[in-house]
Amino acid sequence: DAGVIQSPRHEVTEMGQEVTLRCKPISGHDYLFWYRQTMMRGLELLIYFNNNVPIDDSGMPEDRFSAKMPNASFSTLKIQPSEPRDSAVYFCASSRDSTYNEQFFGPGTRLTVL
Amino acid sequence: ILNVEQSPQSLHVQEGDSTNFTCSFPSSNFYALHWYRWETAKSPEALFVMTLNGDEKKKGRISATLNTKEGYSYLYIKGSQPEDSATYLCAFTSGTYKYIFGTGTRLKVLA
Repeated sequence: DAGVIQSPRHEVTEMGQEVTLRCKPISGHDYLFWYRQTMMRGLELLIYFNNNVPIDDSGMPEDRFSAKMPNASFSTLKIQPSEPRDSAVYFCASSRDSTYNEQFFGPGTRLTVL
Repeated sequence: ILNVEQSPQSLHVQEGDSTNFTCSFPSSNFYALHWYRWETAKSPEALFVMTLNGDEKKKGRISATLNTKEGYSYLYIKGSQPEDSATYLCAFTSGTYKYIFGTGTRLKVLA
């Protein structure tokens, strides 16, 4: 298995633009997690899915952020409109469960909003 | 707001030294405590998942202990090597909260 795949690896955009980050989890993992990593707050859980259904989105910072998982092998995190304070590294991770099994992280997407 | 605290924030040790760091977490409604190793420019990789009070896990020169009653876990590295240089993260899960990460301990092993 190729592991968790994220694209793009780097994204530079201008304030106000829409940004879409993509993730392909490991096959057979029922849980998918989106994280944001910043210097100030470390690694924060934004949202997670179980069997393509969003379970907890309490970490999503505001309405400008949305996430979808249309099928078991694909998820997106969208920011619209983007702002400079959204600049961060966004990680996707997948796991067999939400508590007891290890998470496998993708390589991350480094987002810069100018 | 739940706090998972790690100490120290950063640490420099000489090659061959043994070292340890701490993860403190809420002791109520505990489900699991995870340790991850995060090398620069890479993604976090799982080291251990610990669930039982008194549990001890070991992987090579790295080991971890867990005390759920008082809410702490220790990670030990014996005979540190330069390739152990990384940030070590712990993450707490409970019945209510999923994956609250600490801010990590940044370890630098000097050759």
